[in-house]
Amino acid sequence: DIVMTQSPDSLAVSLGERATITCKSSRSVLYSSNNKSYLTWYQQKPGQPPKLLISWASTRESGVPDRFSGSGSGTDFTLTISSLQAEDVAVYYCQQYYATPRTFGPGTKVDIK
Amino acid sequence: EVQLVDSGGGLVQPGGSLRLSCAASGFTFSTYWMSWVRQAPGKGLEWVANIKQDGSEKYYVDSVKGRFTISRDNAKNSLYLQMNSLRAEDTAVYYCARDKDFGVFDYWGQGTLVTVSS
Repeated sequence: DIVMTQSPDSLAVSLGERATITCKSSRSVLYSSNNKSYLTWYQQKPGQPPKLLISWASTRESGVPDRFSGSGSGTDFTLTISSLQAEDVAVYYCQQYYATPRTFGPGTKVDIK
Repeated sequence: EVQLVDSGGGLVQPGGSLRLSCAASGFTFSTYWMSWVRQAPGKGLEWVANIKQDGSEKYYVDSVKGRFTISRDNAKNSLYLQMNSLRAEDTAVYYCARDKDFGVFDYWGQGTLVTVSS
């Protein structure tokens, strides 16, 4: 199975400041035939199901604010919130869909400082 | 509007069985892979199983193989998870999720809580 790790476990950022979360996979999730990394990011707020933010490592879903961006390739990925808003307080998960079983990172909790 | 409504959770004793359902609406159910994903209380997300559009392919995480069965009824726009030989470690909120792209889950149900305890 592909093991996903995230860092940090939690972070507190001031409103308007940048938040950066990293995600690493135990092996590459880059598919050479299409040069795409099979990596998504989800946001989960308390008592709610996860919400899809980004797929293919960097493609933002429709309706997701442009302060959220994803980058990386292969085994190393980053989710950046460029200017943290109060409504961004949540747990963020990365997930690979390169192989079955689909596996998630352990999550990173983002709070306001 | 896409909607997924999970149901069927509850309290069950270890070794017991439960059948979860997910009612889909607002999209052409028969054209999407579907998955079940679970989340133990206070823990992270774990993919459990998925099923192809016509039900011909099914995949499971190792921890549930032989105990859980995923199925679907495209005529009823419904997804199911039959859970047998339940263990305490199966306690979780179970979400059904639509798979839009090879394992990208773009819509999720609200979840149904399964508690395995004596």
